[in-house]
Amino acid sequence: SQQGEEDPQALSIQEGENATMNCSYKTSINNLQWYRQNSGRGLVHLILIRSNEREKHSGRLRVTLDTSKKSSSLLITASRAADTASYFCATHRSGGSYIPTFGRGTSLIVHP
Amino acid sequence: DAGVTQSPTHLIKTRGQQVTLRCSPKSGHDTVSWYQQALGQGPQFIFQYYEEEERQRGNFPDRFSGHQFPNYSSELNVNALLLGDSALYLCASSLGGPGTALWEQYFGPGTRLTVT
Repeated sequence: SQQGEEDPQALSIQEGENATMNCSYKTSINNLQWYRQNSGRGLVHLILIRSNEREKHSGRLRVTLDTSKKSSSLLITASRAADTASYFCATHRSGGSYIPTFGRGTSLIVHP
Repeated sequence: DAGVTQSPTHLIKTRGQQVTLRCSPKSGHDTVSWYQQALGQGPQFIFQYYEEEERQRGNFPDRFSGHQFPNYSSELNVNALLLGDSALYLCASSLGGPGTALWEQYFGPGTRLTVT
């Protein structure tokens, strides 16, 4: 079953605009990660946020986590055409194994 | 430094057949995990191999089996293929066995399996 669910399913923006994707999950987690996948290829890890953190930054990426609402958001600022990809959140449940659970992903298209 | 490699890139099989997919981990890694990603879905964990044994398994039937060789490379075998097995199969490597955190896994480009 899918633990995380990304929203929206698809997002289309112009270069230079910001892109925001959201992830909701169902059970308590230890941490949450965001991944990028280009054209159905391998996944690339973007950023990790732990359950006791509320916000993290990495370059043009900003991730927030609200454990009370069981949700996270990924913001990509000043988007580029090269950011076109699918973005997934993945979680590890609290007290569970290291088996990750991925959401269905958000497909982002950035028009030049 | 070679990353994770997978072969073949694409594969077409018929229902009922058997298939073997291969993965070579990133240099220095000793743990291999396999994922199935159906079209429009996120990856689903199949199983993980460490020290030539299956250490963790997701919710997949026994038709899915694997193997890890002494050089840490791995195979994923799927028997009695169903149309629903059509998917992108991803391999990820890491170091240190079942306790390896997800963010320390490196993913390969995947094998696209089509079952007709």
